[in-house]
Amino acid sequence: DIQMTQSPSSLSASVGDRVTITCRASQSVSSYLNWYQQKPGKAPKLLIYAASSLQGGVPSRFSGSGSGTDFTLTISSLQPEDFATYYCQQSYTTLFTFGPGTTVDI
Amino acid sequence: EVQLVESGGGLVQPGGSLRLSCAASEFNFSNYSMNWVRQAPGKGLEWVSYISSSRSATYYADSVKGRFTISRDNAKNSLYLQMNSLRAEDTAVYYCARVVVVPAAIPPYYYYYYMDVWGKGTTVTVSS
Repeated sequence: DIQMTQSPSSLSASVGDRVTITCRASQSVSSYLNWYQQKPGKAPKLLIYAASSLQGGVPSRFSGSGSGTDFTLTISSLQPEDFATYYCQQSYTTLFTFGPGTTVDI
Repeated sequence: EVQLVESGGGLVQPGGSLRLSCAASEFNFSNYSMNWVRQAPGKGLEWVSYISSSRSATYYADSVKGRFTISRDNAKNSLYLQMNSLRAEDTAVYYCARVVVVPAAIPPYYYYYYMDVWGKGTTVTVSS
């Protein structure tokens, strides 16, 4: 099975900061990598699919990059509504593994 | 509005069974694959099971294989998860999610799968 890791597990940031979250797969997943945002008590929300494609309606300050085993989610200028937990998820295999999450707080 | 609504959660004793349902509305349910994803209290997301649009393919996480069964009724726009032999570690919020399946245009030419619509979840508690 493909294992996903994320770093850091949590980070503190301020409004306006540039934030980068890293996701690593235990083997190559090519570009079959998605990013989700989850706020407390809410369902996850799709941000990025296929490593770098922005889901419709998601602000352009979110971007994704990477291929193979190493991926990044970048928030170019953190907004108050972006404080949440972010998960990567691989779909290279049909065991759709999630990363452990990265919590972004103040 | 495109919507998924889960139901059927509750308190069940270890070893017991429960059937979750997910009602879809405002989209052509029969055209989409579906996933169940769960989240234990204070923990991260865990994918549970997948079913293709035509029910021809089903997949399960190792943690539930042999105990859970995913199914769907396209005529009723509904997704189900039959959970048997429940354990304390199955305690979680269970989400259903719509899966978009898109062929990749670059090597290795697999399919992209991503979950673009989620329900609000239903809570399952396994405890004596």
